Amino acid sequence: GESVGLHLPTLSVQEGDNSIINCAYSNSASDYFIWYKQESGKGPQFIIDIRSNMDKRQGQRVTVLLNKTVKHLSLQIAATQPGDSAVYFCASFVYNFNKFYFGSGTKLNVKP
Amino acid sequence: NAGVMQNPRHLVRRRGQEARLRCSPMKGHSHVYWYRQLPEEGLKFMVYLQKENIIDESGMPKERFSAEFPKEGPSILRIQQVVRGDSAAYFCASSRGDREKLFFGSGTQLSVL
Repeated sequence: GESVGLHLPTLSVQEGDNSIINCAYSNSASDYFIWYKQESGKGPQFIIDIRSNMDKRQGQRVTVLLNKTVKHLSLQIAATQPGDSAVYFCASFVYNFNKFYFGSGTKLNVKP
Repeated sequence: NAGVMQNPRHLVRRRGQEARLRCSPMKGHSHVYWYRQLPEEGLKFMVYLQKENIIDESGMPKERFSAEFPKEGPSILRIQQVVRGDSAAYFCASSRGDREKLFFGSGTQLSVL
């Protein structure tokens, strides 16, 4: 289900380092996953997605890893930049409820 | 190709008034979702609609809140007799279908005085 009403955990990284943001999902009926980036005052922006028949997908500077055994999803950002500072949400599509559920989010703070 | 359009961007209402939030999905998208977000918190699902149908409204309060997605025109989230606790950012998202990418609008920030 959804995690709501929780204050955001924060991950602080140095500019240039790699970032890893984690997400756990609970429903084994999840078969499609998306990572979103939300900057202050804006709507969530699509970053990368992955379907359950894959365990890894790469984009530009981002990689998503899916471990269905432990119901875990991660987003790796290479060479993190100040512009990457935002809140990151994972979303999972649960097919027996036919809708997306969102994680509670992680705030990424990139230090120059 | 315009993205998901929400208006107004900011809406101020006094307690007891009505709030109407509009969402025009991306071209070719027939699925619309509404989410609510409080500061420093996650996105809380409210309602999922397809054209002329409410598919899932399990996240929407039973009283004062309603949503529609007519055959023509934008989706509307309506909040009657607003209270201070309704103050939040309301985001709309659209997709082409199930298990398709959700694209979000910029949100409507509702402030209830």
